[in-house]
Amino acid sequence: DAKTTQPNSMESNEEEPVHLPCNHSTISGTDYIHWYRQLPSQGPEYVIHGLTSNVNNRMASLAIAEDRKSSTLILHRATLRDAAVYYCILRDQVGGTSYGKLTFGQGTILTVHP
Amino acid sequence: GAGVSQTPSNKVTEKGKYVELRCDPISGHTALYWYRQSLGQGPEFLIYFQGTGAADDSGLPNDRFFAVRPEGSVSTLKIQRTERGDSAVYLCASSFTGTTEAFFGQGTRLTVV
Repeated sequence: DAKTTQPNSMESNEEEPVHLPCNHSTISGTDYIHWYRQLPSQGPEYVIHGLTSNVNNRMASLAIAEDRKSSTLILHRATLRDAAVYYCILRDQVGGTSYGKLTFGQGTILTVHP
Repeated sequence: GAGVSQTPSNKVTEKGKYVELRCDPISGHTALYWYRQSLGQGPEFLIYFQGTGAADDSGLPNDRFFAVRPEGSVSTLKIQRTERGDSAVYLCASSFTGTTEAFFGQGTRLTVV
């Protein structure tokens, strides 16, 4: 399974933007980049995903490098509710041997200060 | 129901006993995943179903662990001869297909004493 590398932790202040980086230098052509987050004592929840182009939704934006070897999850205005562990995951969505599988790494613990 | 439901929410069992953990996915979701999560760690993949069949069971740690999904809906994770090291939160997720967002349940906290 293709691996991702994320910083162990990051901090932000409320109302400020947050940029969460992810390196995935071994990404294959069939891998989509997914982000999930896990709030304390809850199961993970989907945030956003993309293939090559930058993506926006109501929760966040995803910026993908041109060579696809890295990506950045952007929270435009952090709130206290955004404090969570953020996971960057590569998911084969075309039909390889690991099609559909979601493999989590250690993630980045985001702390938001009031 | 509106989301993925896991039962029981908590389970305490004695070492050596057999346990079953149940997952009710969102109706119509063909893909179903099982994970386990130890404190301070990310979810560890166990098994992934597409319909009734296991598409990938490479994460099952040993032959004490087994999962079924006989009708392509509800799934049961079965653990035989439980060990203290099996203590963790067991998470289930489902998605409409293998490419759409996965929805997770709240998990079952298993404690083996």
